[in-house]
Amino acid sequence: GAGVSQSPRYKVAKRGQDVALRCDPISGHVSLFWYQQALGQGPEFLTYFQNEAQLDKSGLPSDRFFAERPEGSVSTLKIQRTQQEDSAVYLCASSLRQGSGTQYFGPGTRLLVL
Amino acid sequence: AQSVTQPDIHITVSEGASLELRCNYSYGATPYLFWYVQSPGQGLQLLLKYFSGDTLVQGIKGFEAEFKRSQSSFNLRKPSVHWSDAAEYFCAVGAGGNEKLTFGTGTRLTIIP
Repeated sequence: GAGVSQSPRYKVAKRGQDVALRCDPISGHVSLFWYQQALGQGPEFLTYFQNEAQLDKSGLPSDRFFAERPEGSVSTLKIQRTQQEDSAVYLCASSLRQGSGTQYFGPGTRLLVL
Repeated sequence: AQSVTQPDIHITVSEGASLELRCNYSYGATPYLFWYVQSPGQGLQLLLKYFSGDTLVQGIKGFEAEFKRSQSSFNLRKPSVHWSDAAEYFCAVGAGGNEKLTFGTGTRLTIIP
């Protein structure tokens, strides 16, 4: 089927605005990951879901960042009161099942905070 | 904590020449190792992975990588590059199973005719 999709692909926000980024994983994939990629850097882990359970949120940089996956499929990453340092590409990845190891990435959402 | 080092920020090679991109990792047990490629404006595409077994792994697009435990390395190679190989290459290590990946800072590959 289709790969991981993300929307919007680009988002411009004014400092202080809230944003919501959506991820549609590959159908049937149990695990879902969010990463943040700053300009010129490698992706950095934010959070991980297995079905609807958020098992690891150790990478979320502040309490302004919140992620959910209420039905174990689509996930939303929300950033409240955006700051300029939040400008980055946000990547979503999914994998088939626990222990499969391989993560498949979406195209990312490029967020620019002015 | 696991970490990945890609010592080469930028590499330029001629089309048709061979390529080797370096990757060193730090992890206490047997790692899960990956190479991903990222073209401008695109997400990450998996080139190859190593979990266990044969230390020389073959991937897509003619790439291969060799796991060397004694050197904590997982270098990526290709015998003859094509102009379409120009992209950013990321090495990553996972703790196994379905856990988070730790990425290196990437190597940007430029191909000259």
